[in-house]
Amino acid sequence: SQTIHQWPATLVQPVGSPLSLECTVEGTSNPNLYWYRQAAGRGLQLLFYSVGIGQISSEVPQNLSASRPQDRQFILSSKKLLLSDSGFYLCAWSETGYGYTFGSGTRLTVV
Amino acid sequence: DQQVKQNSPSLSVQEGRISILNCDYTNSMFDYFLWYKKYPAEGPTFLISISSIKDKNEDGRFTVFLNKSAKHLSLHIVPSQPGDSAVYFCAASNGTGANNLFFGTGTRLTVIP
Repeated sequence: SQTIHQWPATLVQPVGSPLSLECTVEGTSNPNLYWYRQAAGRGLQLLFYSVGIGQISSEVPQNLSASRPQDRQFILSSKKLLLSDSGFYLCAWSETGYGYTFGSGTRLTVV
Repeated sequence: DQQVKQNSPSLSVQEGRISILNCDYTNSMFDYFLWYKKYPAEGPTFLISISSIKDKNEDGRFTVFLNKSAKHLSLHIVPSQPGDSAVYFCAASNGTGANNLFFGTGTRLTVIP
């Protein structure tokens, strides 16, 4: 069966520090991968998605970037965090078709 | 442009009563609709879905209704239980391309014991 792993679960980082969040998927090949953010009291905002290794589409201009170095690995990064980067970050995957499966999320607090 | 809208940010219901969560969409090309449930500090989990060829889909206490002419769907929870308290996201898909799922902004349901 397919599983998705996302870590860390919580992270507190100072302003200006770098960020790296990792997501891996098991039990599937060539999935579509997604990074979402849920800011406090807000809905789900799509940040990036990827259809294959090295292929990244950005939905919203951000202080963030994404990379997909391996088929089932998706990384969200920042060189210098801003206070506004605080939020709940979610990784998700889908095969071609309908519906996404989400990871357990990372709570990022920038202080 | 928000293609999927959940106009009620919150809803409170007594335990045992019916909860009705509403969702509207604008894109007539959507042909599959889903509801996700999200607890705090957890990822959304799939709850129930409906294809555009149907107008109702039922799974235990959860029923989703689709009114294509009105571009409206609703989720009914009967009877509501305290464990149903969560944020519910409506989502719609046209199944084309990788970025094919569009989410509403969510409705926070509180079931009062």
